[in-house]
Amino acid sequence: EVQLVESGGGLVKPGGSLRLSCAASGFAFSAYGMNWVRQAPGKGLEWLSFISSGSIYIYYADSVRGRFTISRDNAKNSLYLQMNSLRAEDTAFYFCAREGQRGTTDPLDSWGQGTLVTVSS
Amino acid sequence: SYELTQPPSVSVSPGQTARITCSGDALPKKYVYWYQQRSGQAPVLVIYEDTKRPSGIPERFSGASSGTVATLTISGAQVEDEADYYCYSTDSSGNHRVFGGGTQLTVL
Repeated sequence: EVQLVESGGGLVKPGGSLRLSCAASGFAFSAYGMNWVRQAPGKGLEWLSFISSGSIYIYYADSVRGRFTISRDNAKNSLYLQMNSLRAEDTAFYFCAREGQRGTTDPLDSWGQGTLVTVSS
Repeated sequence: SYELTQPPSVSVSPGQTARITCSGDALPKKYVYWYQQRSGQAPVLVIYEDTKRPSGIPERFSGASSGTVATLTISGAQVEDEADYYCYSTDSSGNHRVFGGGTQLTVL
């Protein structure tokens, strides 16, 4: 069974930093691209970042480029999101989502349960 | 940055047809996907590659795309279809993913 479990969320002051982790199991993690998606409470889904299976291709949404850094450790089956210069508007649930492989129907075919990041003084 | 635009809300009575639009400049060249998200749950794919329906999704869900506008249609909407619906696609480079702002569907 595919499982994605996020951790690392919490309360942080504006301007602070936080590192999120996503532990993957039940599939060949090193063969899949991965994404981070967030959802502010009561708001819509926002794609944040993608990293290819071998970390060669990395893309960011404009809203986080230059502040957030996506990375992965295939040996540890883990995905990370380093978040710096946090703002109140970064308050949200953060989800990792597996990128569906080419030829499959679902571009985001597995999701974690999310971890809450709250940016407040 | 690239954006997909959806109406914030759509409301229909049970049995009526609900249509949710998604507009974006790259849609003539890029597929759109539609996700349903019920409160507190992970998104579920209901339409892929503009018009295709995954197995297990009721036939009342259909998709269409013409020019810069994609449309999700729920024919004979049911109360259980009440949810938020998001379109999802990429920019013209194919690199940057993007969700539409989401549409809250009310069926009552």
